[in-house]
Amino acid sequence: EIVMTQSPATLSVSPGERATLSCRASQSVGSNLAWYQQKPGQAPRLLIFGASIRATGIPARFTGSGSGAEFTLTISSLQSEDFVNYYCQQYNNWPLTFGPGTKVHIK
Amino acid sequence: EVQLVESGGGLVQPGGSLRLSCAASGFTFTNYVMNWVRQVPGKGLEWISAIRTSTGGSTYYADSVKGRFTISRDNSKNMVFLQMNSLRADDTAVYYCAKALRENPASDYWGQGTLVTVSS
Repeated sequence: EIVMTQSPATLSVSPGERATLSCRASQSVGSNLAWYQQKPGQAPRLLIFGASIRATGIPARFTGSGSGAEFTLTISSLQSEDFVNYYCQQYNNWPLTFGPGTKVHIK
Repeated sequence: EVQLVESGGGLVQPGGSLRLSCAASGFTFTNYVMNWVRQVPGKGLEWISAIRTSTGGSTYYADSVKGRFTISRDNSKNMVFLQMNSLRADDTAVYYCAKALRENPASDYWGQGTLVTVSS
């Protein structure tokens, strides 16, 4: 199975600043990588698929990049509602696997 | 509007069984892979199973549940199921049903989740 890692585990950022989240796969997954956002008490929401394609309704401040085994989610200017948890997921191989998550909190 | 509604969660003893259901609406159910994902409260997401589009279609499992859980779907009723046997304490989690994108198994719509608690 492909193991996903995310760094950092927690990220302190001030509102309006940029946040950069990393995701690494134990082997190449091509561009078959998704990012999800999860707010407390809610189901996850798909942000990005295909490593860089924003899902329907996702604001332009969310940008995904990377391919192969190294990926990045950039949030260009953090809004109050962005201080939550983020997960990456590879879907190149079965079983699908998630990273352990990054918690973005207010500095 | 896409809706996914899970049911069937609850308290079960170790070694017991439970069947989760997910009722889907608002999209052409037969065209989409369906996923189950679970989350221990306060912890991360774990994908556990998926089923391809046709009733009796190809199924996939995480190693942690292989041989104990069975996913199925009834396209005539727009429902997906997760039969969980030989339950263990570490199966305690919120279980989400999720619809995949048309072009890949990433999940674009999720249910609200149903809590399964395995405890004596």
